[in-house]
Amino acid sequence: GQQLNQSPQSMFIQEGEDVSMNCTSSSIFNTWLWYKQEPGEGPVLLIALYKAGELTSNGRLTAQFGITRKDSFLNISASIPSDVGIYFCAGHPPNTGNQFYFGTGTSLTVIP
Amino acid sequence: DTAVSQTPKYLVTQMGNDKSIKCEQNLGHDTMYWYKQDSKKFLKIMFSYNNKELIINETVPNRFSPKSPDKAHLNLHINSLELGDSAVYFCASSPGRRPFPETQYFGPGTRLLVL
Repeated sequence: GQQLNQSPQSMFIQEGEDVSMNCTSSSIFNTWLWYKQEPGEGPVLLIALYKAGELTSNGRLTAQFGITRKDSFLNISASIPSDVGIYFCAGHPPNTGNQFYFGTGTSLTVIP
Repeated sequence: DTAVSQTPKYLVTQMGNDKSIKCEQNLGHDTMYWYKQDSKKFLKIMFSYNNKELIINETVPNRFSPKSPDKAHLNLHINSLELGDSAVYFCASSPGRRPFPETQYFGPGTRLLVL
């Protein structure tokens, strides 16, 4: 199956800082999703993107569907301690029904 | 009123045993999934059922057998457990109605440790 590369693999930041992470693929996708997974829990959907170039916000989170359709970006502004977790991108390739492929994850630690 | 629930949350067992993990969703969704998350947190789909019919079956050993008694339940049975089966197994569901793709909602996970 396909694997999406996320970077950075991990981040340690001070509370209040902004965060940027991205997800890249070698092939094009029709949909990008961003999930957050907290320790001991399942992934929870943050943002869904359906169109190249689309920019969507959810509170302090903003995600973009890359214009090449091979990447996506997630930004978190003014980070707070509860932003801690692992952030996953997931992409849907064309003509694959409802199958998503997940990225390798970005682990975020926020230092108060 | 949990949307997607899994039991058990933790499962510790000996190599060679057979075990089952259960999943239930009360969202009225038609499609359910099993994912495996390894020690490096990589999430990989294993199976997907739509209205009790298998629609996705990734390369998974045939020791793993999903069973869907109805569209609200998708159980995972594992025969002859091996050390490498140790992982967190997530169940997920989505509405299952076109047009695809759809958002998937995940359960809390089952942490399987094979000794």
